[in-house]
Amino acid sequence: AQSVTQLDSHVSVSEGTPVLLRCNYSSSYSPSLFWYVQHPNKGLQLLLKYTSAATLVKGINGFEAEFKKSETSFHLTKPSAHMSDAAEYFCVVSDNRLGSARQLTFGSGTQLTVLP
Amino acid sequence: KAGVTQTPRYLIKTRGQQVTLSCSPISGHRSVSWYQQTPGQGLQFLFEYFSETQRNKGNFPGRFSGRQFSNSRSEMNVSTLELGDSALYLCASSFNQASNEKLFFGSGTQLSVL
Repeated sequence: AQSVTQLDSHVSVSEGTPVLLRCNYSSSYSPSLFWYVQHPNKGLQLLLKYTSAATLVKGINGFEAEFKKSETSFHLTKPSAHMSDAAEYFCVVSDNRLGSARQLTFGSGTQLTVLP
Repeated sequence: KAGVTQTPRYLIKTRGQQVTLSCSPISGHRSVSWYQQTPGQGLQFLFEYFSETQRNKGNFPGRFSGRQFSNSRSEMNVSTLELGDSALYLCASSFNQASNEKLFFGSGTQLSVL
């Protein structure tokens, strides 16, 4: 079984300040982890993914995330927020059971507001 | 390369009717997944098709069905619509079914059931 918890439903930051969106996961197998972003009235776009290579993953638009197995966390960070970062962010886990069909579990989302 | 295309963009139906939504994946992609997104339940997996076969199914009633054609285009059908079926329906495609595969999402079909 797998699950993902996004610890904050809403995060507000000022433009130019750091962003931290928190995600904890649970998986019985070595997971693949993703962060997707959804802008209003749009589909989801992949920001970055972790697939058991480097634990620090760099994504698009200056975002990065660190896989911490001991803490079962995969928090998303960005050093300096931009107005265009305002959107909803989803943490996603997929277990890697050999031979199993792909099962993606989405977090409930974190709405990021960027204040001028 | 064209992205994932979903049609129509908006739909308004009444209870008891049925509806068909369409999804054209990125050229060359063989896997198509469908998701329902609502403010209360978030994103929930409906089903996944790969090479015209349903490979995986979420916990939705049998009123929700789908199919995939030989060109990988997919349709989703909902019969006997209920008010609770009002949602944004998202389609995503990928080249194969690998669990670490990147998904490409369409902009969705917004279904309103009155």
